[in-house]
Amino acid sequence: GDSVTQMEGPVTLSEEAFLTINCTYTATGYPSLFWYVQYPGEGLQLLLKATKADDKGSNKGFEATYRKETTSFHLEKGSVQVSDSAVYFCALIGYGNKLVFGAGTILRVKS
Amino acid sequence: DAGITQSPRHKVTETGTPVTLRCHQTENHRYMYWYRQDPGHGLRLIHYSYGVKDTDKGEVSDGYSVSRSKTEDFLLTLESATSSQTSVYFCAIRKQGPLLNGYTFGSGTRLTVV
Repeated sequence: GDSVTQMEGPVTLSEEAFLTINCTYTATGYPSLFWYVQYPGEGLQLLLKATKADDKGSNKGFEATYRKETTSFHLEKGSVQVSDSAVYFCALIGYGNKLVFGAGTILRVKS
Repeated sequence: DAGITQSPRHKVTETGTPVTLRCHQTENHRYMYWYRQDPGHGLRLIHYSYGVKDTDKGEVSDGYSVSRSKTEDFLLTLESATSSQTSVYFCAIRKQGPLLNGYTFGSGTRLTVV
């Protein structure tokens, strides 16, 4: 079945550091890919999305590119802030039309 | 948040008791989902619904049942709660149209089974 693998955390960075959170997927066909963010005590919010190969999703300074050849959708940000501290989930919607999540990566940003 | 309300927000219950969690939407969407969130597992699908009285199992459905008698309400029931069902439960809706926006989630219910 469809699955998503994320790098384990927690990831701890200093403010203004560069962020990469790796995400790879296994799916039948051509899934749509998503990054969700969960701030402490809250539900999940859609951060960005991409629906076909080479699409780049972007929002709030975060970016991710749909790489079909490497089945990856890595999340990047050039300069993180303390307010970016949260849990980040990579997810896909594939052939089964259901949202499948990775395990989540905790990001902690220190000032 | 996008017209989704979960209740209760927090609940502590004893092992063996029945528990019902409610998800209410105000936007008349056809598809509704129940997920549980556990450390190291992300969110896993319990059950989902594709219309009134139309439901199906997800990957972790054992010990759970659901009902959808009205479009706006999707109920998740733990018939006899166990400690392994201590978790945070999220309801989600899928808005009509292309799947481009994924799902919209409620704020969650934190359930503790003691």
